[in-house]
Amino acid sequence: DIRMTQSPSSLSASVGDRVTISCRASQNIHFYLNWYQQKPGKAPNLLIYSTSSLQSGVPSRFRGSESGTDYILTITSLQPEDFATYYCQQGFTTPWTFGQGTRVEMK
Amino acid sequence: QVQLQESGPGLVKPSETLSLTCTVSGDSVRSDIYYWNWIRQSPGKGLEWIGYISYRGAAKYNPSLNSRVSISVDTSKNQFSLRMTSVTAADTAIYYCARSGIYYPNVWGRGTVVTVSS
Repeated sequence: DIRMTQSPSSLSASVGDRVTISCRASQNIHFYLNWYQQKPGKAPNLLIYSTSSLQSGVPSRFRGSESGTDYILTITSLQPEDFATYYCQQGFTTPWTFGQGTRVEMK
Repeated sequence: QVQLQESGPGLVKPSETLSLTCTVSGDSVRSDIYYWNWIRQSPGKGLEWIGYISYRGAAKYNPSLNSRVSISVDTSKNQFSLRMTSVTAADTAIYYCARSGIYYPNVWGRGTVVTVSS
């Protein structure tokens, strides 16, 4: 199975901050990397697919990119509703696998 | 608007079989472009993809669960189902059904909590 490793596991930030979360795959996943947001008691919600494509209805402050071996989720200006847990997922091959999550908390 | 809703028992005894159903509204399970998934989430294992099925019956499963899991589709009821045999406490989780293409789930149900305990 492809192992997905996210960093950091958690971070503290303030409204308006720029936030970056990284995800690294244990092998080449050819940009088949997706990002989800999950709030307590809710299902994960797709934000970004195929590294950098914004899912319909998702605010443009969410951006996905790739840098070397890392995939990056950037929130350009953190909003109150963005405090949540974020997961990456590789769709290159089954079994699809997820990162362990990054919790974004209020500073 | 597509909606998925999980249903089934919230408590299952160890060694017994877990059965869950997902009812789809706003879309048809007969779609040729979508797959119908089961995914679970537990504190210990995080998010774990269980498997998916197409309406034509082609299924893929997570090898870690392969021998215990089967997914089926009922086009007459617009539903799909999960069956997991010989459950243990490690199968305690929130179980989600989800619609996907071939690379990622894009619509999820709300999830249902399943506890394995005697």
